[in-house]
Amino acid sequence: QVTLKESGPALVKPTQTLTLTCTFSGFSLNINGMRVSWIRQPPGKALEWLARIDWDDDKFYNRSLKTRLTISKDTSKNRVMLTMTDLDPVDTATYYCARTQGGNFYYDVWGKGTTVTVSS
Amino acid sequence: QSVLTQPPSVSGAPGQRVTISCTGSSSNIGAGYDVHWYQQVPGTAPKLLIYENNNRPSGVPDRFSGSKSGTSASLAITGLQAEDEADYYCQSYDSSLGGFWVFGGGTKLTVL
Repeated sequence: QVTLKESGPALVKPTQTLTLTCTFSGFSLNINGMRVSWIRQPPGKALEWLARIDWDDDKFYNRSLKTRLTISKDTSKNRVMLTMTDLDPVDTATYYCARTQGGNFYYDVWGKGTTVTVSS
Repeated sequence: QSVLTQPPSVSGAPGQRVTISCTGSSSNIGAGYDVHWYQQVPGTAPKLLIYENNNRPSGVPDRFSGSKSGTSASLAITGLQAEDEADYYCQSYDSSLGGFWVFGGGTKLTVL
């Protein structure tokens, strides 16, 4: 069974740096074609794709947030991390990690999400 | 402003058929990129509903179907049930400046 679980701080102050971790099981990010993305959803708003990391360590970022994001992986621990710098209240959202595989561009399995509030 | 445009809300009575549109442009749906649909019950994570325009993952009822034409796609739900009340999002790939993978603004389905 494939599962993903997000973790990180629930409350962050403006200008601080946020680090989120996605811990997954049931697949390996060493396998050709496996990818993990981060997607967020502000309260009452739509989903927004943030970043993706592939099995071969290729990385892709939402261009409007690229300067603030860093995605990385630790395949030995089945983890993907996302760092976002210079947090602002507009970054308040539920952050999800999700898997894509093969040549597909859809997210077949999602984590339950972790809610982050940016406030002083 | 989402790259893919969806109606904010749709509604229907139990048993009826509803459709949700997803309108894109020549840099995403019109360029031939596939459209995928997700169902999100409030307070839960999105769930894959339709992939690659018109395919259902295992476990998704055949009451749900998808189609794509030109720069638009549609999700149809027949035999509407109370449990279908949720938010629905379309998703595709956009080759223009901006994010690579894009979502629609979401549509709230209300079962009357």
